[in-house]
Amino acid sequence: AQSVTQPDIHITVSEGASLELRCNYSYGATPYLFWYVQSPGQGLQLLLKYFSGDTLVQGIKGFEAEFKRSQSSFNLRKPSVHWSDAAEYFCAVSNFNKFYFGSGTKLNVKP
Amino acid sequence: GAGVSQTPSNKVTEKGKYVELRCDPISGHTALYWYRQSLGQGPEFLIYFQGTGAADDSGLPNDRFFAVRPEGSVSTLKIQRTERGDSAVYLCASSLMAGGRSDTQYFGPGTRLTVL
Repeated sequence: AQSVTQPDIHITVSEGASLELRCNYSYGATPYLFWYVQSPGQGLQLLLKYFSGDTLVQGIKGFEAEFKRSQSSFNLRKPSVHWSDAAEYFCAVSNFNKFYFGSGTKLNVKP
Repeated sequence: GAGVSQTPSNKVTEKGKYVELRCDPISGHTALYWYRQSLGQGPEFLIYFQGTGAADDSGLPNDRFFAVRPEGSVSTLKIQRTERGDSAVYLCASSLMAGGRSDTQYFGPGTRLTVL
């Protein structure tokens, strides 16, 4: 069965520090993977997606993610976090007509 | 262009009442999805439309939930005899086409439903 696990419920980083949010998936075939960000009162905004090819994908707002098949992971990274990055982040795997989402990681940014 | 819009943004109702939640997808998007996001959880799939027909309603929790999309654009999610457990944020998404796993879904801001 398809599933996504985001092991970190909350993460706090200092502004300017690097960030890595973990995502592990379970899927029988080649996964199509997504990262979304959700700010309070806002809808989910797509950060990046992976379908095939280069395992390091670049997204908006300076985010990138690396697909590692051997680890069933698709971790999100950013070299230098900005205060405006404080939000909740969701990883998802696509199964044709539906997405399966993780439970999210809330990012706090310290000044 | 305009994104996915949802109305109302907030809905408070009493247990046992009927509610309708509306979604207006991105123009030209043929596929429309409904998800439910409970507190502290990621969105959970409810139903997916391709055009006017519900192609997959396997996520609807029970027969109190129903959704329509009569003209292949706007969709309404209908909940009968609401229960306190129905309280959640209901998200709508649309995509250009459907059936492809690579199809990106664009989400609306959601409707926060509170059942008292």
